[in-house]
Amino acid sequence: DVKVTQSSRYLVKRTGEKVFLECVQDMDHENMFWYRQDPGLGLRLIYFSYDVKMKEKGDIPEGYSVSREKKERFSLILESASTNQTSMYLCASRQGSSNYGYTFGSGTRLTVV
Amino acid sequence: SQKIEQNSEALNIQEGKTATLTCNYTNYSPAYLQWYRQDPGRGPVFLLLIRENEKEKRKERLKVTFDTTLKQSLFHITASQPADSATYLCALDISGYSTLTFGKGTMLLVSP
Repeated sequence: DVKVTQSSRYLVKRTGEKVFLECVQDMDHENMFWYRQDPGLGLRLIYFSYDVKMKEKGDIPEGYSVSREKKERFSLILESASTNQTSMYLCASRQGSSNYGYTFGSGTRLTVV
Repeated sequence: SQKIEQNSEALNIQEGKTATLTCNYTNYSPAYLQWYRQDPGRGPVFLLLIRENEKEKRKERLKVTFDTTLKQSLFHITASQPADSATYLCALDISGYSTLTFGKGTMLLVSP
């Protein structure tokens, strides 16, 4: 089975800190995605990547950036964390074709204080 | 604007009954629709994908229908069990970039 591993389950950071959320998948998937999930708002797409060094903005990219230097790793960066970025962050990967479902990681619950 | 709507109220049913969840969408003609299960504090798990030219798809106790005229998908769990209790999400590619937009999900509670 494909495994998507997010480096931390829980994180607490201070306002203004630079935060790195790491995601690694082990099945050579081309596509990787970052979502955040908030009560009442559901899952919202932040950024996605179709290949190494490629990135595309999702629906809510403001305040975030991403890095994909290796195929298996997709990092989400909060340049200067703010309290409104307190959320559950979910990474997902998918095989090349859109005929496949996503495999999600277990999520990182980030609290910015 | 494009919308994906799932019933926000929890669905409570008795063990052994069939659970039916609804996903409605507007202003788009997706090529496929997906259903996911999410347990509290965990990431969603992919269950089924149904394409626009498929009316129905089954997997064990799960059945999904896709009516592109009504712009609706129904998700059925037959012979439901307490272990089926979770939030179920539908998802569509409405961006045109092969990314998924998710509904907010419906919580299913199956009581013994």
